[in-house]
Amino acid sequence: EADIYQTPRYLVIGTGKKITLECSQTMGHDKMYWYQQDPGMELHLIHYSYGVNSTEKGDLSSESTVSRIRTEHFPLTLESARPSHTSQYLCASSELGGSSSYEQYFGPGTRLTVT
Amino acid sequence: AQSVTQLGSHVSVSEGALVLLRCNYSSSVPPYLFWYVQYPNQGLQLLLKYTSAATLVKGINGFEAEFKKSETSFHLTKPSAHMSDAAEYFCAVSERQNQGGKLIFGQGTELSVKP
Repeated sequence: EADIYQTPRYLVIGTGKKITLECSQTMGHDKMYWYQQDPGMELHLIHYSYGVNSTEKGDLSSESTVSRIRTEHFPLTLESARPSHTSQYLCASSELGGSSSYEQYFGPGTRLTVT
Repeated sequence: AQSVTQLGSHVSVSEGALVLLRCNYSSSVPPYLFWYVQYPNQGLQLLLKYTSAATLVKGINGFEAEFKKSETSFHLTKPSAHMSDAAEYFCAVSERQNQGGKLIFGQGTELSVKP
């Protein structure tokens, strides 16, 4: 059973606000990922981490930033939200090593709307 | 670069009919392959995965997929569709030497099941 949590599930916020999307996992996974997904569209990797103090930008450019101070926690921050940031954000994690290291477990997602 | 192509963004079947969702990949080496399902307003759930053991892979909810190296395909099938199968399905690939464990996702196929 995958245990990966995201809060909030839904967020409606005005332009210019700073927001942080939370992601936590209780599986002790070293690798964590953030994806952006527009409705009915494919997933785009925006950030990933291989462990504490390790963060990398993904394939899709994003104005968001991430941090990885604890293994279980991988928050995503937008300093100044804009309507173009409206999307669904999915967090995922996976183990390090072995064939299972490629299987990602996903959280329920945060649907962000910036007005 | 790796890529994944899902043929058909929308597939509609009648309840009890065969489900066939197509996925083709491009990879220079035998990859790991995955099928995920996404229900509305939820994250992705792993249906099944291919990691080189058996070419015919059985997953949850009666789904299975066959890895065909000669055709670079990993199509998803289910003998008899159920109304609860209506969802978005994503095929994903990861190369074995990709120690980062990043997945490349297809654009998704929305499955509709008619009564």
